[in-house]
Amino acid sequence: AQSVTQLGSHVSVSEGALVLLRCNYSSSVPPYLFWYVQYPNQGLQLLLKYTTGATLVKGINGFEAEFKKSETSFHLTKPSAHMSDAAEYFCAVSGGTGGGNKLTFGTGTQLKVEL
Amino acid sequence: ETGVTQSPTHLIKTRGQQVTLRCSSQSGHNTVSWYQQALGQGPQFIFQYYREEENGRGNFPPRFSGLQFPNYSSELNVNALELDDSALYLCASSLSSGRYEQYFGPGTRLTVT
Repeated sequence: AQSVTQLGSHVSVSEGALVLLRCNYSSSVPPYLFWYVQYPNQGLQLLLKYTTGATLVKGINGFEAEFKKSETSFHLTKPSAHMSDAAEYFCAVSGGTGGGNKLTFGTGTQLKVEL
Repeated sequence: ETGVTQSPTHLIKTRGQQVTLRCSSQSGHNTVSWYQQALGQGPQFIFQYYREEENGRGNFPPRFSGLQFPNYSSELNVNALELDDSALYLCASSLSSGRYEQYFGPGTRLTVT
């Protein structure tokens, strides 16, 4: 079975500070991992993905994430937060039972960026 | 390239009624997945359609049903609406049924009163 745990439902950072959003996963198969961002009243936008190969993946808007198998983690980082980064972020894992390539999401982390 | 579109944007229904939500997949994509996102929660997988056939289902009752058409657009039907069905319904399309990334539409906000 697949599951995702996102530690910290709310994270607040100052503009220009490091952003770190935590994600731990559980998967019965080699995981494909994703980070999505959701702005208010909108759908989800794909930030980045890990499938196989290089464990450090770069995404849009300056975000990156590192797959650490030994820690079953896929934390999202950005060196310098911008006001426009304020949104909800979801980590997801693909595959497992239920068929298809269903995504199993975490409960999300609301990122607040303060001046 | 046209992205995933959904209609309607918002919908208000009464408990016991039936509702149909629609989704047009991204050009070139033959797989559509539907998710339910309750307020303050992550999206939950409802089911997936691949080439007009259901290709996986989450833990949702049979009153949640779907269709996929030859042009790969899709419908989500919910019968006998309950208050707990109030949520944002998200459609996502992908290149195929393998472990490809999914691209989401803006969602339909359903309110059941």
